[in-house]
Order: sequence, then structure tokens, then C-alpha cells
Amino acid sequence: GAGVSQSPSNKVTEKGKDVELRCDPISGHTALYWYRQSLGQGLEFLIYFQGNSAPDKSGLPSDRFSAERTGGSVSTLTIQRTQQEDSAVYLCASSATRTATEQYFGPGTRLTVT
Amino acid sequence: SQQGEEDPQALSIQEGENATMNCSYKTSINNLQWYRQNSGRGLVHLILIRSNEREKHSGRLRVTLDTSKKSSSLLITASRAADTASYFCATDSRGSRLTFGEGTQLTVNP
Repeated sequence: GAGVSQSPSNKVTEKGKDVELRCDPISGHTALYWYRQSLGQGLEFLIYFQGNSAPDKSGLPSDRFSAERTGGSVSTLTIQRTQQEDSAVYLCASSATRTATEQYFGPGTRLTVT
Repeated sequence: SQQGEEDPQALSIQEGENATMNCSYKTSINNLQWYRQNSGRGLVHLILIRSNEREKHSGRLRVTLDTSKKSSSLLITASRAADTASYFCATDSRGSRLTFGEGTQLTVNP
């Protein structure tokens, strides 16, 4: 009965380096979302995967950001050539259906770019 | 940009008092949800209200929705120190993804 898990929980990286953030959704959930949350702010949508459909990438802030979801399960968010403004908590969520019903969130990855 | 806007941004009350948070949005919606976040980490779903519903209850939570005013309120009755958290509304006006507001930081003092 595991929930959504994310790794690492914290990541400190130097400016210019690439980072990979991982999300394991709830088993059987077809929809997976990535959000970014800056300190004291709301959630900023990044990307959405639904089954085998093409992902909705409309929230990705630049071409340095990319994500993939392998086998309809685990997802990896990659940030290339990190910048200080990328520092934030990156949250992953999954839901059971394609409609926007209840989303289950992971604990997030806190990324700090120095 | 965020569609949902919560107010107040911060609310501080005493244990036992009621807490009311409001959310406004701009476009038509299918449903509106409220989430809670502790310590800047994962969000927990609290309640969902559909566009054809006006009020919904869950334990000490009461949510109202006024689609004519494009607003919703979350009432927490008989608050407890453990209710201290950030509360976010989220709307689904863009198909299958949610748009979150900026949140209300609630502090319940023992």
C-alpha cells in the first residue's frame, strides 16, 4: 500500500550541473504529474503523463527541463545546466484516472542549486 | 499564472476557533479541490466539490462553492494546533490538470 515516492528527498548541486529527479507513482495510477513549488509559493504545473498518450509539456519553463515516463510507471524529471532559479521543491503526483480527480502527492525533492 | 487565489494569505487563530479561507478563480470549472500541505512537502487531498454542488461536508471541514461568483470557501471548525498548515485550492478548468492557488498559511495557536 505504498504511496507516491520520490528520490532523492534533498539534492544540492552546483550551477551548470545536470540533475535527475525520480518519481514512483501509486501502482495502477495512469496519470502522473510534476509540479514545482518555490519557497512560500503555490504549485507550478510542469508536465503531465497519461497512459501512452503524448505528455502535456506545456508547463516546462525551458528546454533545459525534460521528463520521461518509462513503462507507464516510474518517471524521471531531468534538469540540464541547472541555474540558481531552479532551486525549489519538485513535487510528483499521480491519480487513478485521466480526469482531474484526487491527486496523490509524493513528499517532494528539495533542489538547491549553489 | 495561477488561476486560484486564496485569501487571506496568512491566518492566525486560537485553538477551538473556526478558520475560514477563501478561493477565487477566473474561468469555468468542472470541480474544485482543497489540499493541505505540511512543512512545504507533499500535499494531501481534503475535499472535492463539483460545479453542480453548493456545499459539502467532511468531518470538521465545510466547503462551499459559488459558481456565479467564481469563489469557494473552506471552513475548519473547532480548530486544533495540528491543523496548522498551508491550504490550497485547485481547479480543473484546463481539462485533466489542476491549477493551484498560492495558498493560505493557517496557524492555530494552542
